[in-house]
Amino acid sequence: EVQLVESGGGLVQPGGSLRLSCSASGFTFSSYAMHWVRQAPGKGLEYVSAISSNGGSTYYADSVKGRFTISRDNSKNTLYLQMSSLRAEDTAVYYCVKDLWLVGRGAFDIWGQGTMVTVSS
Amino acid sequence: AIQLTQSPSSLSASVGDRVTITCRASQGISSALAWYQQKPGKAPKLLIYDASSLESGVPSRFSGSGSGTDFTLTISSLQPEDFATYYCQQFNNYPLTFGPGTKVDIK
Repeated sequence: EVQLVESGGGLVQPGGSLRLSCSASGFTFSSYAMHWVRQAPGKGLEYVSAISSNGGSTYYADSVKGRFTISRDNSKNTLYLQMSSLRAEDTAVYYCVKDLWLVGRGAFDIWGQGTMVTVSS
Repeated sequence: AIQLTQSPSSLSASVGDRVTITCRASQGISSALAWYQQKPGKAPKLLIYDASSLESGVPSRFSGSGSGTDFTLTISSLQPEDFATYYCQQFNNYPLTFGPGTKVDIK
């Protein structure tokens, strides 16, 4: 079964840091671009970040650029999102998502269950 | 960034109704558009990609059309399990962007 399982969410104070992990199974993780998408409570979907299959290329939304770092360990089938200088507006459910295509065109066929990040004092 | 608008923002419909949701892009995106369904407390689910290609396992009552700037998602005969929020998403250019969503609820 193709599966993505996120972990690492929780409550953090403004200005703090958190690292999210996403464990992949059921597909050749190292062949696919991966992404993070978030959803604030009661709001729509917001694209956060992307990483190419070999980790050589990354992309960040302007809202997180300079504060978040996406990375992957293909030997462990794991995707990461290191978040620092967190703000209240970063409060959201964070989804790990798999690209539909090997070439990473940017549609998402597999989503994790999401992990909640709450930034509050 | 490419902006996506969806209409309507919400609609009420009955089981068996034909439902159409529109997504408009602020600039041409060829056919680089996907549609997702999200139920409360759940992750989104891919329905349609490349504007009109049905994702494997998705019922054939779902269909997509359009290219350029104007796109539609049609549910030919609404089923009880289709009450959800639907999002369009463009993948023609980074930053990838989503529409604001259309909530479909029971009339």
